[in-house]
Amino acid sequence: DGGITQSPKYLFRKEGQNVTLSCEQNLNHDAMYWYRQDPGQGLRLIYYSHIVNDFQKGDIAEGYSVSREKKESFPLTVTSAQKNPTAFYLCASSIKRDQPQHFGDGTRLSIL
Amino acid sequence: AQSVTQLGSHVSVSEGALVLLRCNYSSSVPPYLFWYVQYPNQGLQLLLKYTTGATLVKGINGFEAEFKKSETSFHLTKPSAHMSDAAEYFCAVSEDQAGTALIFGKGTTLSVSS
Repeated sequence: DGGITQSPKYLFRKEGQNVTLSCEQNLNHDAMYWYRQDPGQGLRLIYYSHIVNDFQKGDIAEGYSVSREKKESFPLTVTSAQKNPTAFYLCASSIKRDQPQHFGDGTRLSIL
Repeated sequence: AQSVTQLGSHVSVSEGALVLLRCNYSSSVPPYLFWYVQYPNQGLQLLLKYTTGATLVKGINGFEAEFKKSETSFHLTKPSAHMSDAAEYFCAVSEDQAGTALIFGKGTTLSVSS
C-alpha cells in the first residue's frame, strides 16, 4: 500500500544528543514537510521541500536540520541546539505544493 | 500573511446532535481551505477541501463545509454526531501562490457524549 512511514513511533533523547526522525513515502510525491505539534498550539512548520536537493525553513527551523537526497526520504534531525524538543512530530507529503497533504502517523519525542 | 482562527478549543455535543466547528481565515489571495481530523497518537486525515467552484463542499464521514468569502469563514458541520467523531479537528489554509506549506489553526477537540 502507498503511504508515509514515520519511524520510530516513540523516541527518547538524552540532553545534548542529536536524534534523527525518519520519514519515507512511496506515493511519488514531490513535496514533503515536517511539522511540530504541541498541545493547544496546532501544527507549526519546521522545514519543507518541494524538490529533491532543495528545502526551505519554516516558521520554527531553529535547532532542526533536514536533507532531501532522495525523492522518497526527508529525515529530520533534532539537534542539541533545540532547547525544548519534546513534542509530536508529523511528516507530510503532497503531489505538488498546493495540493492536499498526506500525513504519517507521527513520532513522539521525549527527553530523558 | 495568511492565518486561521478556530473558535473554541473544545466543543461538546450529544450523540445525534448537530456538529458545528468554526473556522475563519485571513488571506490576501483566493485561498485553498482544508479540514483535517486527528485521532489520538495518529497523523492527520483529510476530511474535505475547497479549491474553486462550488462553495458547499462534502467530505468523508458525513461532514461538509461551506466557503463564505464575505464572512471569510469555512465552518465544518455534520447533521448528526456519532461517538466515533470524537477527535481533534484542524482547519488549514494554503498559500498556494506563495508556494509554501499549509497554515493550520490551533485545533478544536470534539467530544461526543451518549
